[in-house]
Amino acid sequence: EIVMTQSPATLSVSPGERATLSCRASQSVGTNLAWYQQKPGQAPRLLISGASTRATGIPVRFSGSGSGTEFTLTISSLQSEDFAVYFCQQYKDWPPMYTFGQGTKLEIK
Amino acid sequence: EVQLVESGGGSVQPGGSLRLSCAASGFTFNSYWMAWVRQAPGRGLEWLASINLDGSETFYVDSVKGRFTISRDNAKRSLYLEMNTLQAADTAVYYCVREDHSTYVVWGQGSLVTVSS
Repeated sequence: EIVMTQSPATLSVSPGERATLSCRASQSVGTNLAWYQQKPGQAPRLLISGASTRATGIPVRFSGSGSGTEFTLTISSLQSEDFAVYFCQQYKDWPPMYTFGQGTKLEIK
Repeated sequence: EVQLVESGGGSVQPGGSLRLSCAASGFTFNSYWMAWVRQAPGRGLEWLASINLDGSETFYVDSVKGRFTISRDNAKRSLYLEMNTLQAADTAVYYCVREDHSTYVVWGQGSLVTVSS
């Protein structure tokens, strides 16, 4: 099983500032990496797939980078609606054991 | 509108059983792999099971293998999760998801399952 580790667990950032979230895989997943956003009481929403491709309707302030075992989600200028929990997910494994990271909570500073 | 609607959640005693259903609409159901993902209270996301287009192949996380069964009825555009021998650790919100190239673009609203005596 590929273990995904996200850091930090909680990130405090001011609106308008940049946020950088990290995700590390226990073994290489290539670019088979997705990022999801989850707000309280809602289902997660896909932000990024293929490590760097924004999903439909996702604002350009969200960007993903990385490959292999190290990945980053960057939100360039935080808006109030961006404060949420973010999860990374690898989807390299076959059979499909698509493991998630434990999440990073992005909170208002 | 593309939509997934779960039903069948609720409270059950340890050792009991429950069947979740997921009704799909707004897309060609039999063209997509489907999956179940759960989230324990205040915790992260856990992939549970996936099923291929015609239901002939299924995959499970080890923690539910032998206890949970994923199935689909393409004629009814529905996905199911049969859960047996439920334990307190199975308490979670269960999401039905559509797989798009192995990522989860479409999610249901979630169905809460509580296992408690």
